[in-house]
Amino acid sequence: DAGVIQSPRHEVTEMGQEVTLRCKPISGHDYLFWYRQTMMRGLELLIYFNNNVPIDDSGMPEDRFSAKMPNASFSTLKIQPSEPRDSAVYFCASSPFRGANEKLFFGSGTQLSVL
Amino acid sequence: GEDVEQSLFLSVREGDSSVINCTYTDSSSTYLYWYKQEPGAGLQLLTYIFSNMDMKQDQRLTVLLNKKDKHLSLRIADTQTGDSAIYFCAEIRADTDKLIFGTGTRLQVFP
Repeated sequence: DAGVIQSPRHEVTEMGQEVTLRCKPISGHDYLFWYRQTMMRGLELLIYFNNNVPIDDSGMPEDRFSAKMPNASFSTLKIQPSEPRDSAVYFCASSPFRGANEKLFFGSGTQLSVL
Repeated sequence: GEDVEQSLFLSVREGDSSVINCTYTDSSSTYLYWYKQEPGAGLQLLTYIFSNMDMKQDQRLTVLLNKKDKHLSLRIADTQTGDSAIYFCAEIRADTDKLIFGTGTRLQVFP
């Protein structure tokens, strides 16, 4: 398996523009997670899905952020409109399990810069 | 406190042992993890320990768990330049069932 695949690797956009980040999880993994990493706040869990259904979106910063998982092999994280404070590395991760023996497999991340 | 805490930096000479420390928050956490993040990459699971264990060894890696003090450590024997990375500890919180990451320790290995 190629692992968790994210695209694009880098995204530079202007404030107010819509940004869409994409993720393909590892086949057979029932759980998909979106994380954001910044120097100030470290790694933050934004949302996670189980079998394509959003389970916990309490980490999503505000209504400008939305995530979808239309099928088991694809998820998107959308920011509309984007703001400079959204600049961060966004990671997608998948896992075959949840809870006590959870093991995450991370993608390489999308480096987002909002000017 | 709410945070899983780690020291920010550690610098060691190649061939020496590295010890990275972590203080976690939930005494009922069942699994504790160490992840490694190399530059420009995502996190990679290195090892984990179940809470009923005190120690786990995996090749050059030794994990020690002190449940009384809620202290977790990762020892890397014979540290190599390829071990230079950021190391994150993480715990599963029993109340929320969420995986919470520490702040990360940047390990720099010099020749």
